[in-house]
Amino acid sequence: KAGVTQTPRYLIKTRGQQVTLSCSPISGHRSVSWYQQTPGQGLQFLFEYFSETQRNKGNFPGRFSGRQFSNSRSEMNVSTLELGDSALYLCASSLSRGSPLHFGNGTRLTVT
Amino acid sequence: SQQGEEDPQALSIQEGENATMNCSYKTSINNLQWYRQNSGRGLVHLILIRSNEREKHSGRLRVTLDTSKKSSSLLITASRAADTASYFCATDAQNTGFQKLVFGTGTRLLVSP
Repeated sequence: KAGVTQTPRYLIKTRGQQVTLSCSPISGHRSVSWYQQTPGQGLQFLFEYFSETQRNKGNFPGRFSGRQFSNSRSEMNVSTLELGDSALYLCASSLSRGSPLHFGNGTRLTVT
Repeated sequence: SQQGEEDPQALSIQEGENATMNCSYKTSINNLQWYRQNSGRGLVHLILIRSNEREKHSGRLRVTLDTSKKSSSLLITASRAADTASYFCATDAQNTGFQKLVFGTGTRLLVSP
């Protein structure tokens, strides 16, 4: 079974631009979560989607948004990029509530 | 911050030695999970322990959970150089209908040959 796939692997953007990151979950997994990882703040929850519905959102500004498609693939979007948005963005899928998360290798975003 | 705390922040040992990492958290939980992360990569799930369990084993891993102290420990026995990674505990809070893990600050483990 293929794992969680995130694309692209690396991105370099300029302040003020916007970016879209993509995540394909493990087949059969309907829950997709996104996390931001930085050296200063560690791993922070962004949001979780289940059957195309956002069930919860972390403490991030409205510039961070996401969606999930009917095939469970998910995208997250960051608009008006700031230098502090530079981070490793991790997507994870899970089979059900309370089951382990399966992570992709992340997208490394650098904002200059 | 809702993050859990882990200690030590960094641990350096020789191959063959045991490594113990500790995690403290703040809320009531359904379960606690441990993950490993190799540099710059995604996290890999290691073990899950439910709130009504006190100890769990998986291969060279042993996890304990003390819900009264809101703490957990991960023991890796007979460490290998390949165990070099960062280790994170993550808690799944009670009474939520959604999947959200709160991660600890992590322990960086270095196992020297």
